[in-house]
Amino acid sequence: GAGVSQTPSNKVTEKGKYVELRCDPISGHTALYWYRQSLGQGPEFLIYFQGTGAADDSGLPNDRFFAVRPEGSVSTLKIQRTERGDSAVYLCASSKEGYEQYFGPGTRLTVT
Amino acid sequence: TQLLEQSPQFLSIQEGENLTVYCNSSSVFSSLQWYRQEPGEGPVLLVTVVTGGEVKKLKRLTFQFGDARKDSSLHITAAQPGDTGLYLCAGDFTSGTYKYIFGTGTRLKVLA
Repeated sequence: GAGVSQTPSNKVTEKGKYVELRCDPISGHTALYWYRQSLGQGPEFLIYFQGTGAADDSGLPNDRFFAVRPEGSVSTLKIQRTERGDSAVYLCASSKEGYEQYFGPGTRLTVT
Repeated sequence: TQLLEQSPQFLSIQEGENLTVYCNSSSVFSSLQWYRQEPGEGPVLLVTVVTGGEVKKLKRLTFQFGDARKDSSLHITAAQPGDTGLYLCAGDFTSGTYKYIFGTGTRLKVLA
């Protein structure tokens, strides 16, 4: 595909459940970012991968959040024991050289 | 904690008017980016500025990076309804890490 894709586009889950959000970056992009965006706010940095390793995970809010990128391409953001405060749009971006990030359309997560 | 403040938060203007939005921080940016985001989509990169005092133009949009690299502005000339959207600045405070902190955003509405 030409751009960053994210699945699912919408996810509704009950409080306490486990969810996985997937990001397919642009082919050849080594850097991958996850952000969280609440209504009316700018994106909040969560984690940044360079290749397979997490170069910076300082934005993950707590240990319920975890992200992987096992083969240096697709990434999965995993949230355990979801809480209502986790409801937001989760954005993924990829970059070839760091400066220019290309964003996906996001996954809207609603925790009921 | 590095914070990016954007002003104004909201702006509603008539087609043909000029406007300026601002992005300020107490810390020095290694680089700064401006994005535009439309509802249901991820942010789209407009420009990256790196050098203090740098001015870049993109059609009717003029971007300026402050001499001290702590602030930036986006000026739109003769705004059009198609300019409507959320304008976000994002700063990289540590050279080489490509970890971007986003501002709070300016929501612009251009009325026909």
